[in-house]
Amino acid sequence: DAGVIQSPRHEVTEMGQEVTLRCKPISGHNSLFWYRQTMMRGLELLIYFNNNVPIDDSGMPEDRFSAKMPNASFSTLKIQPSEPRDSAVYFCASGTGGSGGNQPQHFGDGTRLSIL
Amino acid sequence: GQQVMQIPQYQHVQEGEDFTTYCNSSTTLSNIQWYKQRPGGHPVFLIQLVKSGEVKKQKRLTFQFGEAKKNSSLHITATQTTDVGTYFCAGPLIKAAGNKLTFGGGTRVLVKP
Repeated sequence: DAGVIQSPRHEVTEMGQEVTLRCKPISGHNSLFWYRQTMMRGLELLIYFNNNVPIDDSGMPEDRFSAKMPNASFSTLKIQPSEPRDSAVYFCASGTGGSGGNQPQHFGDGTRLSIL
Repeated sequence: GQQVMQIPQYQHVQEGEDFTTYCNSSTTLSNIQWYKQRPGGHPVFLIQLVKSGEVKKQKRLTFQFGEAKKNSSLHITATQTTDVGTYFCAGPLIKAAGNKLTFGGGTRVLVKP
């Protein structure tokens, strides 16, 4: 079975550019999560969706970050404009059930983002 | 605010030895989950504990949920090089909008052959 699929795996871009990260959750999963991982801050939840609806976006750092889930099989995380401090590994995860904290989550391989 | 904390941050283990890593929450948890992340990899779900005092085993790994459901532990016996990685515990942070999983800082395990 296919797991969570993220693209691109690596992204290197210059400060000020728009960055779009993509995620395809596991088929049948109705919850989707975007995380950011850095050495300093660990694994942080940015936003999560349930049935394509954003439930909690309190972890989104600032207005430069936005996320969408137009359908059950696709989500994007966009950073515009990007800054060097956005450099991190971004993970997408999916799960079943309606509550974000009560279900096991299946992570994708992540996107390693470097902003120069 | 509600936090999930793990100790130790780093664990150097001689191959073949046992060790335990601990997870503590500032509030009672409805469940605790454990994940393992290999170097350069992504977190992989290991197990979920729900009941007070629950103990679950996966081969050489033993997971325990505290009686008060505020702490948990992971014990690994006869450590192998395949156990290298960072082990995270995670618990739900209860908010008005629904709860979300809060990860501890992780215990990074290094195995000396």
